[in-house]
Amino acid sequence: DTGVSQDPRHKITKRGQNVTFRCDPISEHNRLYWYRQTLGQGPEFLTYFQNEAQLEKSRLLSDRFSAERPKGSFSTLEIQRTEQGDSAMYLCASSLALRGDTQYFGPGTRLTVL
Amino acid sequence: QKEVEQDPGPLSVPEGAIVSLNCTYSNSAFQYFMWYRQYSRKGPELLMYTYSSGNKEDGRFTAQVDKSSKYISLFIRDSQPSDSATYLCAMSEKTSYDKVIFGPGTSLSVIP
Repeated sequence: DTGVSQDPRHKITKRGQNVTFRCDPISEHNRLYWYRQTLGQGPEFLTYFQNEAQLEKSRLLSDRFSAERPKGSFSTLEIQRTEQGDSAMYLCASSLALRGDTQYFGPGTRLTVL
Repeated sequence: QKEVEQDPGPLSVPEGAIVSLNCTYSNSAFQYFMWYRQYSRKGPELLMYTYSSGNKEDGRFTAQVDKSSKYISLFIRDSQPSDSATYLCAMSEKTSYDKVIFGPGTSLSVIP
């Protein structure tokens, strides 16, 4: 399977704990995006990378959230001191750095904060 | 007012029906328009992609963009039970095409 992969697929944690998610993009894609999706809503943009550079961050990305893409390949999204409001599906997508190229999504990581 | 509005449904149609899904938007700078399909507990899957106004057809799917009315549509002909999913419209500006704004999605059920 050469699509976008995410790990884990599900994560249950207690409030206050830290969690980290991983995304592996399509191999030739140099842009990588993180989104958050809550029930009944479309994905909301969080941040994106071109290679290892983080180019934009949404206001939704509070100080408790940090994303990295150290070698321009896979990316991690860490949430510190999780809150119940962080419960959502976290989606990763990737694309080529071409104007108009579309984003291809992974299956997502579903986070439940108890 | 949200940037992208979409009737959440749920929409229920009999197999073989023509389905019309619609979105309206407020940002006149949007130039790229997309439709994604999302099955329950899965990531969105790109269905159609159009640039600016006009129609685009791909098999049973037709996407329409009317920039003057800030209105886009997706038509599904000969709908199948496997089309049952949530359909998300999405769009982005020419100058910031990476920042894709999604509608909330319309839930569709095609009844055999």
